[in-house]
Amino acid sequence: NAGVTQTPKFQVLKTGQSMTLQCAQDMNHNSMYWYRQDPGMGLRLIYYSASEGTTDKGEVPNGYNVSRLNKREFSLRLESAAPSQTSVYFCASSEEVRSKTKFFGPGTRLTVL
Amino acid sequence: DQQVKQNSPSLSVQEGRISILNCDYTNSMFDYFLWYKKYPAEGPTFLISISSIKDKNEDGRFTVFLNKSAKHLSLHIVPSQPGDSAVYFCAASGNAGGTSYGKLTFGQGTILTVHP
Repeated sequence: NAGVTQTPKFQVLKTGQSMTLQCAQDMNHNSMYWYRQDPGMGLRLIYYSASEGTTDKGEVPNGYNVSRLNKREFSLRLESAAPSQTSVYFCASSEEVRSKTKFFGPGTRLTVL
Repeated sequence: DQQVKQNSPSLSVQEGRISILNCDYTNSMFDYFLWYKKYPAEGPTFLISISSIKDKNEDGRFTVFLNKSAKHLSLHIVPSQPGDSAVYFCAASGNAGGTSYGKLTFGQGTILTVHP
C-alpha cells in the first residue's frame, strides 16, 4: 500500500499562474484534507472533504479551490498563484471526518515568484 | 492567535538520555491530543495520543503526559536514539469553536536532534 501520494513533489510558479496539486489515497478512507505548513507555524487546514461528494472550508481557504474527484482522489487548485502561497502542502486522509488520526502524504513544496 | 504552542523551536540531547518535548494550549475545549513526527521530505506520521480523561499514555519508549489544569502536555522519549531526530508536532482536537469534525490544531513544531 502506498498510503497517501502527492504530485508534484516540487513546483515553481510565477505570480498569476495556476496549477493543481494532486492527491490520492489507497486506504479506502472516507475523509481527505489539504494542509499548508509555513515556517514557524503549525500545519493549517485549507479545505477538507468529509466524504465523496462533499467539501468544506478549513482555516485558510482563500485563494484555493478543491475537487473530490472520487473516493481516492482530492485535488487542490490555485487559480492565480500569489507569493503568499509559497508553502509546503500536505494532503491527508482519515477513516472518517471525526477520526483524530490523520495519515499524511509526503508534501509538495511550492514556490511562487 | 496560536491556540497550541511549542515554545522550544529546537532540542538537542545525547543518545540514551531522555528527551522532553513540551506543548501548551489555551483552549479548554480541546479534549484529545496527539504527537506527530516528521522527517525531512516526508509527511508527518502519527506517534502517540492521549484523551483528556487520562493523564498519561505510554507506548514503548514514548510517553505523553497531560496536565489539564496547566493546559500543558509533554512527550518523553526514553532512551533517545539518533533515529528519533525529527520535527515533532503536537496537535489538539475537540469542540473548539463549535466544530464537531476531527479538526486538528497544530503547534509550530520542535526540531529534536539526538547526538550519538
